[in-house]
Amino acid sequence: DAGITQSPRHKVTETGTPVTLRCHQTENHRYMYWYRQDPGHGLRLIHYSYGVKDTDKGEVSDGYSVSRSKTEDFLLTLESATSSQTSVYFCAISGGGGRTEAFFGQGTRLTVV
Amino acid sequence: RKEVEQDPGPFNVPEGATVAFNCTYSNSASQSFFWYRQDCRKEPKLLMSVYSSGNEDGRFTAQLNRASQYISLLIRDSKLSDSATYLCVVHGGATNKLIFGTGTLLAVQP
Repeated sequence: DAGITQSPRHKVTETGTPVTLRCHQTENHRYMYWYRQDPGHGLRLIHYSYGVKDTDKGEVSDGYSVSRSKTEDFLLTLESATSSQTSVYFCAISGGGGRTEAFFGQGTRLTVV
Repeated sequence: RKEVEQDPGPFNVPEGATVAFNCTYSNSASQSFFWYRQDCRKEPKLLMSVYSSGNEDGRFTAQLNRASQYISLLIRDSKLSDSATYLCVVHGGATNKLIFGTGTLLAVQP
């Protein structure tokens, strides 16, 4: 399995608080992605990165920001958490060896109360 | 219109059956295509890549029709362990985005 870890794995937070999720890889893959998964919607892209300090928005980016200061780490921040952001968040990496298939972290289950 | 569309199912099939999943995509510039499998409350895992010439891996066969912007996955001789959600994934070419379909749920019955 690809070396990709997400932290924390579970989190409960209150509405209005900032939350940061971390994705760490040891594979030196160029691309990193953050998705959220909700019933009936599948996996939806929030933001992705195509290199250090290079990021772009996905289809559901409102309320989220990202940063990538090192190849290994891609941070997702919920600036002011809302109940609609309760979800399972997956990080993925791709681009190793010039290939485009993605490998996923185990997910972070976030509950906003 | 969604960029990647799949029939959500569920597909309920008996063991030993052959089942086919279909997926359509809207971006004609897409270059890479994949099928992923996701078990309940787990992360998606790559099942197979999809090539224009078609490819087979044991009981699984994937096909790509670029003209119709259509991808398929065929599972022969279904096993109970094949029960999962199957996700169609399209690489968005120049954008480098990986776009997922909503997934098709397969339940193989004994």
